Amino acid sequence: KAGVTQTPRYLIKTRGQQVTLSCSPISGHRSVSWYQQTPGQGLQFLFEYFSETQRNKGNFPGRFSGRQFSNSRSEMNVSTLELGDSALYLCASSSKISGRAAGELFFGEGSRLTVL
Amino acid sequence: GESVGLHLPTLSVQEGDNSIINCAYSNSASDYFIWYKQESGKGPQFIIDIRSNMDKRQGQRVTVLLNKTVKHLSLQIAATQPGDSAVYFCAESTGGYNKLIFGAGTRLAVHP
Repeated sequence: KAGVTQTPRYLIKTRGQQVTLSCSPISGHRSVSWYQQTPGQGLQFLFEYFSETQRNKGNFPGRFSGRQFSNSRSEMNVSTLELGDSALYLCASSSKISGRAAGELFFGEGSRLTVL
Repeated sequence: GESVGLHLPTLSVQEGDNSIINCAYSNSASDYFIWYKQESGKGPQFIIDIRSNMDKRQGQRVTVLLNKTVKHLSLQIAATQPGDSAVYFCAESTGGYNKLIFGAGTRLAVHP
């Protein structure tokens, strides 16, 4: 079974630009979450999508947005990039949507964004 | 590979020894806890989980202990191997949703 696939793996942008990152979850997984990882702040939750609806949102500005498609694939977008947005963006999928086993996430290898 | 964290606490152990990685969690209402392992250049990998109605759970070579009184979680790795070298994160979840709050991480260095 293929794992979580994220594209692109690496990208470089300049301040003020926007970026779109893509995530294909494990087949059959309907929940997709996004996390930002930086050396200073660690792993921080961005948002979670299920059935094309955002279910949870972390404490990030409105420049960070996402969406999920009917096939569960997800994209996240960051507009008006700032230097501090340089990070590893991780996507995670889960087959559990609520209840006792919620929280077991399977992560992709991430998209490393560098903002110059 | 890319460094996960430049100033993470590091636990150095000899190959074959047992390792204990500790984590203090923040929310007394959290009801689900997970340990993840992250190797350089890779995403976090699930190791073991535990629910708040338990205080101990064992897996293959790993044991997680939960002390809700002091909001403390630990991961014990038996017979540590070089392949165990990585950064280890604890994470907590509340209310059955897939939103995880991660700890800062601990780097485990295994020496032959």
